Amino acid sequence: NAGVTQTPKFQVLKTGQSMTLQCAQDMNHNSMYWYRQDPGMGLRLIYYSASEGTTDKGEVPNGYNVSRLNKREFSLRLESAAPSQTSVYFCASSEGSRDRGDLEQYFGPGTRLTVT
Amino acid sequence: KQEVTQIPAALSVPEGENLVLNCSFTDSAIYNLQWFRQDPGKGLTSLLLIQSSQREQTSGRLNASLDKSSGRSTLYIAASQPGDSATYLCAVRPIFEGFQKLVFGTGTRLLVSP
Repeated sequence: NAGVTQTPKFQVLKTGQSMTLQCAQDMNHNSMYWYRQDPGMGLRLIYYSASEGTTDKGEVPNGYNVSRLNKREFSLRLESAAPSQTSVYFCASSEGSRDRGDLEQYFGPGTRLTVT
Repeated sequence: KQEVTQIPAALSVPEGENLVLNCSFTDSAIYNLQWFRQDPGKGLTSLLLIQSSQREQTSGRLNASLDKSSGRSTLYIAASQPGDSATYLCAVRPIFEGFQKLVFGTGTRLLVSP
């Protein structure tokens, strides 16, 4: 049982390049999330998907797009990378749906992205 | 807007000590509070989840308490070991900011020396 997996683990981009971060979970969870972690800021929610077929903006969505490909997979795309997007990106999942706020979130190992 | 603060930012103790990490939050309207451990360069491992109706949760040498009315949680680690060295994060799930969101503190970096 792998839990939440993310690819790639590390990535270096030049300003203006695009890339997609991949996330998959094998726990049959309804909800999936993308966070970014910056020094001194804590983790902040970028986008989330409460259930298959839906996506919503979080706290810091600008410069990102997401796709909930199916129940297992949730990808994060940077269309034109900027140095301000240098961060560690975490994907998470939970059983929760729009009606349940009390369920635990499980996190992947993270993707360390540097934009030069 | 919910804010989460963790004090101290860093803590260094000798092996064997009992220690307390603190977490405070500004809005008591939460579904739950979760404590995580993060090792350098790694992801987050969930340690304990306390629902808003609960006062504490225990797992092995860890005990977390929640006082929702005062906006405080503590993580107690008994008989600390060098393997406990990591950053500890707390996060709350606010009721009125979109319940899908976790609001994180910036963490306490713990070093336990042999």
